[in-house]
Amino acid sequence: GNSVTQMEGPVTLSEEAFLTINCTYTATGYPSLFWYVQYPGEGLQLLLKATKADDKGSNKGFEATYRKETTSFHLEKGSVQVSDSAVYFCALGLRTDKLIFGTGTRLQVFP
Amino acid sequence: KAGVTQTPRYLIKTRGQQVTLSCSPISGHRSVSWYQQTPGQGLQFLFEYFSETQRNKGNFPGRFSGRQFSNSRSEMNVSTLELGDSALYLCASSLDSGTGVGGELFFGEGSRLTVL
Repeated sequence: GNSVTQMEGPVTLSEEAFLTINCTYTATGYPSLFWYVQYPGEGLQLLLKATKADDKGSNKGFEATYRKETTSFHLEKGSVQVSDSAVYFCALGLRTDKLIFGTGTRLQVFP
Repeated sequence: KAGVTQTPRYLIKTRGQQVTLSCSPISGHRSVSWYQQTPGQGLQFLFEYFSETQRNKGNFPGRFSGRQFSNSRSEMNVSTLELGDSALYLCASSLDSGTGVGGELFFGEGSRLTVL
């Protein structure tokens, strides 16, 4: 079946530290891959996406590369800020608008 | 451009009651999806509607139902509420040409249901 596995949190970092949140997937077919972010008390917002192998999605300093050979879509940021504290969800989408989400990773950034 | 609007934002019900949640998608978006978010199960897909037709359905019991109107607004209903139905219910809309290709979803802030 189709599934997404992402690292458990919380991930706790100091401001300006390097961030990696791992995400791997299992899918039949050729999915699009997404990272969504959820700030406290809010709904999910699309952070970045990639629609085919070797694509790199980027936004607000965050990056993720669609790696078909390792079935991965790890999220990275070179220097995190306190304002990046949120829950991050990796997701895959196939031939419908149904998205399959990972369990989410809480990021806490301290000054 | 207004985002996805969900009402009510918060509600409290008791076991056995029913509840109806509403979602107004972004203007021009024809696809509306519903997700249930709980601490234990994470985000789980409920169903998706496109042009008033249910196109996809998740693994939830028949107590969970939905519909979409001609203006793309959607409602979901949960009957005979159980304690385990306490969750944040998220609605998402997308600009779907009808080809059913997975694309960007725009989420509302959710309706937080508490069942006592």
